[in-house]
Amino acid sequence: GENVEQHPSTLSVQEGDSAVIKCTYSDSASNYFPWYKQELGKGPQLIIDIRSNVGEKKDQRIAVTLNKTAKHFSLHITETQPEDSAVYFCAASRQGGATNKLIFGTGTLLAVQP
Amino acid sequence: GAVVSQHPSWVICKSGTSVKIECRSLDFQATTMFWYRQFPKQSLMLMATSNEGSKATYEQGVEKDKFLINHASLTLSTLTVTSAHPEDSSFYICSAGPGAPRANVLTFGAGSRLTVL
Repeated sequence: GENVEQHPSTLSVQEGDSAVIKCTYSDSASNYFPWYKQELGKGPQLIIDIRSNVGEKKDQRIAVTLNKTAKHFSLHITETQPEDSAVYFCAASRQGGATNKLIFGTGTLLAVQP
Repeated sequence: GAVVSQHPSWVICKSGTSVKIECRSLDFQATTMFWYRQFPKQSLMLMATSNEGSKATYEQGVEKDKFLINHASLTLSTLTVTSAHPEDSSFYICSAGPGAPRANVLTFGAGSRLTVL
């Protein structure tokens, strides 16, 4: 079935360094790839997303890259700050006429050390 | 932006009782809402897809008689955990999307933590 793998499961960086989280998806028909940030005890918040007709998207310190051939996509956070510490989830879905379900990765716990 | 409200944020109940969790889209209509379950330090597990005006679609392994889903309007879906037991204790999260053409863009509720004693 559909599957999304995410690595690493934990990531610790120094404040100001960059952080990269990688995901691989199995469904070649997937065409929408969002990233969510989840703080402790809260629901996931969408931080950036990318569609399959685009290879890269950037929003301030956050960027996402997509390699459709390899079925890989990655989240890049530059100039990390302590408030970036959270669990990050990647996801993949197909776009259709109705709202389609997301397949989530297993999550990455990012710790930014001051 | 889109806002999804989930209530209650936490609930403690006795074993054998039923608990209802509400999920509301505040500023958009959602023909489809999703319910997830999340265990500590784990990913979100999709339980079911809630469709307005029709029966929910449950994922494999999820008991439909245990987790009753009702989507009576375009802005409200409810999840009822019936005859709750300690193993039902978990973090339950809903999400909703505005439908085509941005059908995939989901907004999540803040989650409801259920503790069954």
